[in-house]
Amino acid sequence: GQQLNQSPQSMFIQEGEDVSMNCTSSSIFNTWLWYKQDPGEGPVLLIALYKAGELTSNGRLTAQFGITRKDSFLNISASIPSDVGIYFCAGQETSGSRLTFGEGTQLTVNP
Amino acid sequence: EAQVTQNPRYLITVTGKKLTVTCSQNMNHEYMSWYRQDPGLGLRQIYYSMNVEVTDKGDVPEGYKVSRKEKRNFPLILESPSPNQTSLYFCASSPGGLENIQYFGAGTRLSVL
Repeated sequence: GQQLNQSPQSMFIQEGEDVSMNCTSSSIFNTWLWYKQDPGEGPVLLIALYKAGELTSNGRLTAQFGITRKDSFLNISASIPSDVGIYFCAGQETSGSRLTFGEGTQLTVNP
Repeated sequence: EAQVTQNPRYLITVTGKKLTVTCSQNMNHEYMSWYRQDPGLGLRQIYYSMNVEVTDKGDVPEGYKVSRKEKRNFPLILESPSPNQTSLYFCASSPGGLENIQYFGAGTRLSVL
């Protein structure tokens, strides 16, 4: 099946710091999605990317669809305690095909 | 309010005792899916359904069954649960088609003793 590698697996940062995480795929994706999962909840969509090279922001979050279409990046600026959670990338090869999820990045923000 | 509802949220059972986890969505979505989440493995798809009466295996279907008799419901059935099915389960739905943005339920934590 699909291989989608997400890194880092975990991050421990101080409040106010910026955060970067990324996903790489063994094949080309047409769609990249970034989700956040709060403790005890299901994943919630943060950002959706549909075009190679696309850079999209949602508040302090910025995500990019890699130009090779095999990778994507998520940046969080000026982190706050409520940013704590697990961040997942997900990719879709073609329209209507299944999503493949990365293993997740566990983010801890120390006040 | 648009949502995906799973029940129960928590379940402890014993090996071999059949169980069903229900999933219902009120967004008239065509596509529904079940995932299991295990530490270090992310979300792995169990089964999915593109529409009523159409279901397909995901990456880890062994030991599970599903049905899609009506659009809003997509129950997950464990005929004979085993301890390796102890996990956190999520149901998701999406409109399908070009933008497969999936909306997730709150999860069901299952322990099989």
